[in-house]
Amino acid sequence: GENVEQHPSTLSVQEGDSAVIKCTYSDSASNYFPWYKQELGKRPQLIIDIRSNVGEKKDQRIAVTLNKTAKHFSLHITETQPEDSAVYFCAARETGGGADGLTFGKGTHLIIQP
Amino acid sequence: EAGVTQFPSHSVIEKGQTVTLRCDPISGHDNLYWYRRVMGKEIKFLLHFVKESKQDESGMPNNRFLAERTGGTYSTLKVQPAELEDSGVYFCASSQMGFSYNEQFFGPGTRLTVL
Repeated sequence: GENVEQHPSTLSVQEGDSAVIKCTYSDSASNYFPWYKQELGKRPQLIIDIRSNVGEKKDQRIAVTLNKTAKHFSLHITETQPEDSAVYFCAARETGGGADGLTFGKGTHLIIQP
Repeated sequence: EAGVTQFPSHSVIEKGQTVTLRCDPISGHDNLYWYRRVMGKEIKFLLHFVKESKQDESGMPNNRFLAERTGGTYSTLKVQPAELEDSGVYFCASSQMGFSYNEQFFGPGTRLTVL
């Protein structure tokens, strides 16, 4: 089955700086890679996703890159703000294969220092 | 529109007792998923319903866990008898049918503590 590794487990950055979270996956059949943000006491929410036919996707201050050959994908947050503090989870899934469950990484606790 | 709801938000039980968790998906969502996060580890897939049918239950840890979705609406996850290692946060998620890349919307989770 799929295995997703996520690094780092904790990331502390100064407000205004950039943050990068990296994930690797094992199953080359995976073709959908969402990122979820979970603020303290709240539910995980999708912030951005990327499909395997695209190398990069951007939405305002967040972007995701995918390298299919190396089987890794990364989340980039620029101009970080206090409200970016949260736990971020990457995930992978093979769509159309009948098994629709997401395989998650262990999460990254992002701390934005004022 | 109401999001995915879960009940209870917290449950504390003793080892050997039974607990039933409930999930109400977003109205009209035929796909319903259960996940679990044990402290400090990844969110792990348990099973997937399409309407009332179990599409994939490969993540269910053992036969102490029973999930149902009678009528294809809300779902329950029963743990009987509960063990210490069952402690964690149980998430439910739902998504629409018809498109492989449909977003899974998560509920707030049920925090289960087994003493």
